[in-house]
Amino acid sequence: EVQLVESGGGLVQPGGSLRLSCAASGFTFSSYWMSWVRQAPGKGLEWVANIKQDGSEKYYVDSVKGRFTISRDNAKNSLYLQMNSLRAEDTAVYYCARDQDGVGLWDYWGQGTLVTVSS
Amino acid sequence: DIVMTQSPDSLAVSLGERATINCKSSQSVLYSSNNKNYLAWYQQKPGQPPKLLIYWASTRESGVPDRFSGSGSGTDFTLTISSLQAEDVAVYYCQQYYSTPPAFGQGTRLEIK
Repeated sequence: EVQLVESGGGLVQPGGSLRLSCAASGFTFSSYWMSWVRQAPGKGLEWVANIKQDGSEKYYVDSVKGRFTISRDNAKNSLYLQMNSLRAEDTAVYYCARDQDGVGLWDYWGQGTLVTVSS
Repeated sequence: DIVMTQSPDSLAVSLGERATINCKSSQSVLYSSNNKNYLAWYQQKPGQPPKLLIYWASTRESGVPDRFSGSGSGTDFTLTISSLQAEDVAVYYCQQYYSTPPAFGQGTRLEIK
């Protein structure tokens, strides 16, 4: 059974940093592109970043470029999102999602982890 | 960037009746080389992550009931639930994966009348 379990969310002050993790199991993690998708409270879905199987390609939504870094450790079946210079508008549930073919089509999602940026 | 617009924003349908949700993209998501529409539909129930229902505009994901169907091509798409069940109450999102950044519609809230 495919499982994606996020962790690392919490309350952080504006300008602060946070590192999210996603533990994957039930599939060959190193064979898939992976993504982070977020959802602000009561709002819609927004793709944040994705990363190729070997980590050689990474893409970001414009609003997080230069502040967020996606990475992965295939030996640990884990995906990460390092978030720096956090802003109030980054407040959201962050989902880890498996990308079927690296095209931005997500067939499995984690339950999400809540990041709240507030003073 | 491609912008996705859904209509209506909310919809109330009686049990057993048909529900129809529309999605329009600001530019075509039909890739001419393979004749595939890079359009997906997701269902999100309260407190849960999104669930993939339909991809390539009309291909049902494994395990999705056949009352769910997708249609359309180019810039105009439709998700149809042929006979609404109580468990279908959710927010539905269309999403294009034709180009980066992948983008979602604003969502359509489906309720029971």
